[in-house]
Amino acid sequence: GNSVTQMEGPVTLSEEAFLTINCTYTATGYPSLFWYVQYPGEGLQLLLKATKADDKGSNKGFEATYRKETTSFHLEKGSVQVSDSAVYFCALMDTGRRALTFGSGTRLQVQP
Amino acid sequence: GAGVSQSPRYKVAKRGQDVALRCDPISGHVSLFWYQQALGQGPEFLTYFQNEAQLDKSGLPSDRFFAERPEGSVSTLKIQRTQQEDSAVYLCASSLGQGAKQPQHFGDGTRLSIL
Repeated sequence: GNSVTQMEGPVTLSEEAFLTINCTYTATGYPSLFWYVQYPGEGLQLLLKATKADDKGSNKGFEATYRKETTSFHLEKGSVQVSDSAVYFCALMDTGRRALTFGSGTRLQVQP
Repeated sequence: GAGVSQSPRYKVAKRGQDVALRCDPISGHVSLFWYQQALGQGPEFLTYFQNEAQLDKSGLPSDRFFAERPEGSVSTLKIQRTQQEDSAVYLCASSLGQGAKQPQHFGDGTRLSIL
């Protein structure tokens, strides 16, 4: 079956530090990959996505590249801000299905 | 409203009671999804509608869980004879059309606590 594995949190960084949140996946087909973010007190929001191998998704300074050879979709940001503090979820949607399969989430805490 | 609306935001029920959770998708969105999110975990898929048709219910954990979308807009998730393990946040999402290129927009969820 499909699964998504994320690095465990919490991840605590100082403002302007470099961020990496690792995500690897297992899928039976050729999935699309997503990062969702949940800010405190808010619902899940789509952050970025990539629908095929070697695609790079980007938004709000965050980037992730779909690496089929390593089945990975790591999230990166060059300089984090306090406002980036949230829980980040990696997810996939497999070929022919509409259901999203999520990882367990990684909490990011950015300190001023 | 502009987003997916869920009600109630919080629901407390005694074990054995039936509950009904409501989802109002974004107007015009064809697809509607229900997910269950346990504390500290990612959401897990329950079921999917395209208009009024329930096309995938593979994630429903038991026959106590039932979802409907009779007119292709508002959806209700019903849980009968609730048990403590049903305690979770229930998320609804909608998307404009089909396929991975149509993002799923999530509501704020209903937090269900079974005593």
